[in-house]
Formats: sequence, structure tokens, C-alpha cells
Amino acid sequence: LAKTTQPISMDSYEGQEVNITCSHNNIATNDYITWYQQFPSQGPRFIIQGYKTKVTNEVASLFIPADRKSSTLSLPRVSLSDTAVYYCLVGDYSGGSYIPTFGRGTSLIVHP
Amino acid sequence: NAGVTQTPKFQVLKTGQSMTLQCAQDMNHEYMSWYRQDPGMGLRLIHYSVGAGITDQGEVPNGYNVSRSTTEDFPLRLLSAAPSQTSVYFCASSYLFGGSDTEAFFGQGTRLTVV
Repeated sequence: LAKTTQPISMDSYEGQEVNITCSHNNIATNDYITWYQQFPSQGPRFIIQGYKTKVTNEVASLFIPADRKSSTLSLPRVSLSDTAVYYCLVGDYSGGSYIPTFGRGTSLIVHP
Repeated sequence: NAGVTQTPKFQVLKTGQSMTLQCAQDMNHEYMSWYRQDPGMGLRLIHYSVGAGITDQGEVPNGYNVSRSTTEDFPLRLLSAAPSQTSVYFCASSYLFGGSDTEAFFGQGTRLTVV
């Protein structure tokens, strides 16, 4: 199973850009990298997904280097409402089926 | 389009009682799963299903049973509740195969307390 490593926690201030890096040294050729966001008392919510280079949507950007052994989630100009836990996932396959496996995630706290 | 619906939202059980947590999805997803989340922890996979009639164990299956008789429903049964099963339970669904279409949709969770 592919495994990921990300910081346990991060602190930031409103208006700053936040970059959360995830290591996935054993990523397989056909694995995509997916990030989720979880607010307290809610289920995780999909943020962004990518395979290589850079992906951008209305919420975040995802940077993936050529070797794909890491990825960086970038949140531009965070606000208090971005305080959440962020999970990085890579493909976990069992018998050909994709099984999303979550680690502990990164707890981001945005301060005023 | 309701997405993933879990019931109940809250439940208190006495040790030894049994109960079923309900999960339904209306997106015709093949894959459904149950996770538990304890304070300060990530989500741990309990059981999952890749289609009607097919289930398998995840990381922490002991004390739980599942069945998948339809594509839409995936109930989780606690056979004999224990205080260690106090947790928040999330149900999720997604398309079956990996690649670029693996967004998982989660329910709002069931907060279970076993006393």
C-alpha cells in the first residue's frame, strides 16, 4: 500500500499563503494524488486531485514534481474558515479496487 | 441529489447492546465504505464493499458486521457494543476504479457513545 507522510500541524495567519507538503515515496505509476479537507464534526470533502505538474481549481493548487514522490497543496490567502484538517491520499488498490486510505492529516489553524 | 445519507446522527448505547448504523447513497457508486474517527486521529477503515453482495474487511473490522444487498445501501452493525467503539462513524462512496475519478463522498457522520 502506498503511504503518505505529512506534518501533523501547521499555523498560519489570515491572508497568508499556506503550503502543505506530502511525501509519498512509494507512489505507483498509475496513482493519482488526492487531497481532502475536513472541518470539525463533518465528513472529509474533496479539494483537488492531480497526477503530475500543476493543477489549479477555485479552492487550491496542487504542485507535483516530476518524480511524483511528493506533492504540495497550496492555499492562497487563507482565512479563518480554512482552519481544518487536510489529508493527502495516493492510490491504494486491493484486487484492482481503489480503497481510499486516510492518515492523520495536517491540522491547519489560521489565526486572525 | 442527496449524496450520502447517514442515520442516526447521534446515538447512545449501553455496553452489550446492538444496533445498525444506516448509510445510503444515490450516486450509483459501486464502492462504499465505513470509517471510524477517534479524537486526534485520522479515519480508519472498518469495512468496505466493491459492489452488491461483496464486502471485505478494512483496518479495524472487529466488532462490526456489514452487508451489501443493494448498490444504494451499506449498513454497519455493531454486534455487542463496547466503550472502545465510542467514536464518530463516517460512511463514504465513490466510483470503484482508481485513476482520475476517485473522489469520495462522505456522509455527515454518526456520533456514537457507548456507556
